[in-house]
Amino acid sequence: KAGVTQTPRYLIKTRGQQVTLSCSPISGHRSVSWYQQTPGQGLQFLFEYFSETQRNKGNFPGRFSGRQFSNSRSEMNVSTLELGDSALYLCASSPSYRSRRETQYFGPGTRLLVL
Amino acid sequence: KNEVEQSPQNLTAQEGEFITINCSYSVGISALHWLQQHPGGGIVSLFMLSSGKKKHGRLIATINIQEKHSSLHITASHPRDSAVYICAVRSGKLIFGQGTELSVKP
Repeated sequence: KAGVTQTPRYLIKTRGQQVTLSCSPISGHRSVSWYQQTPGQGLQFLFEYFSETQRNKGNFPGRFSGRQFSNSRSEMNVSTLELGDSALYLCASSPSYRSRRETQYFGPGTRLLVL
Repeated sequence: KNEVEQSPQNLTAQEGEFITINCSYSVGISALHWLQQHPGGGIVSLFMLSSGKKKHGRLIATINIQEKHSSLHITASHPRDSAVYICAVRSGKLIFGQGTELSVKP
């Protein structure tokens, strides 16, 4: 099975722009989660989607949004980019939602640099 | 205080040494994960625990639910084990520790 794929892998934007990142989960996985990783804050949970519905959301401003499509692919969008949004954005998929026995499979990440 | 605390934050070991990384948490959890992240960013899930102990090759993970503590042990460490090891707990969402950067010298 192919792993979790994320596109693009690298991105440079300027302040005020918006960006859309894409994540394709492992075939058959229906839950997709997004995470932000920065040197200062480490890994932080952004949101989780299952069956096209946002099931859980982290403590990020409304500029961060996401969605999931019927084929389980997910996108996240960041509007009005700020310098502090520079980070590695990771997507992870798992077969179901909130299963105690789930393992999350991570994608390679999208490295976003905001200038 | 962070909900998930790891120690140590940095660790340098000689090849062959036995290594222990600790994780303490303060929230109720349904599961605890140990993750490995190599330079370049890719994260691999090593273990998912809800009780007891698991072993995979040279890696052993234990969890004590009553004490809210988990340990990751690496036996006969090797330079290829050099990576950042991250503890994460499932409490609704995943909450991550700050990571332990391990460097194993030949």
